[in-house]
Amino acid sequence: QVTLKESGPGILQPSQTLSLTCTFSGFSLSTYGMGVGWIRQPSGKGLEWLANIWWDDDKYYNPSLKNRLTISKDTSNNQAFLKITNVDTADTATYYCARISSSFAYWGQGTLVTVSS
Amino acid sequence: DVVLTQSPATLSVTPGERISLSCRASESVDTYLHWYQQKPNESPRLLIKYASQSISGIPSRFSGSGSGTDFTLSINGVELEDLSIYYCQQGNSLPYTFGAGTKLELK
Repeated sequence: QVTLKESGPGILQPSQTLSLTCTFSGFSLSTYGMGVGWIRQPSGKGLEWLANIWWDDDKYYNPSLKNRLTISKDTSNNQAFLKITNVDTADTATYYCARISSSFAYWGQGTLVTVSS
Repeated sequence: DVVLTQSPATLSVTPGERISLSCRASESVDTYLHWYQQKPNESPRLLIKYASQSISGIPSRFSGSGSGTDFTLSINGVELEDLSIYYCQQGNSLPYTFGAGTKLELK
């Protein structure tokens, strides 16, 4: 059974760095073809893909945020991470991690992040 | 970036009817087009992958078709539990992109 769960700070201030953790089970990021992606969704709005990391440590970022994003993984502990630097109110959203091939087959429950001074 | 245009934005439905939702891509995505359902306060759920491939556990009334730039999600006999927002997503080229969604509401 594949499960994923996101965790984050809940609230942070503008200009700070957002650190998110995705803890998963039921698959390994050391297995050929496996990947984890991050997607966000502002309240009442659509979905935006942010970044992917693959079993071979290939990483891909959405160019609209590329300079602010860093994705990484800890294969031993079944975790993936996303950092977003210099946040502002526009980064307020629910952040999801998902297991990915071309599609996002399994999703976490999401973690709400609010950026507010 | 590949732009996905979903139509209609909102569709009013009657339980039992057959409906079709459209997703058009600004350039060919081959069959790397996936459909998701999102109910209020829930995470999206994968309904159809690679345009027409079914997903285990998804009711058989959901089906997908298309390739290239034009795609359709069909629901054969809408049920009340299907009242949700439906998103398409392309995984053919980076950045992955989503459509803006189609909301199914009760007529």
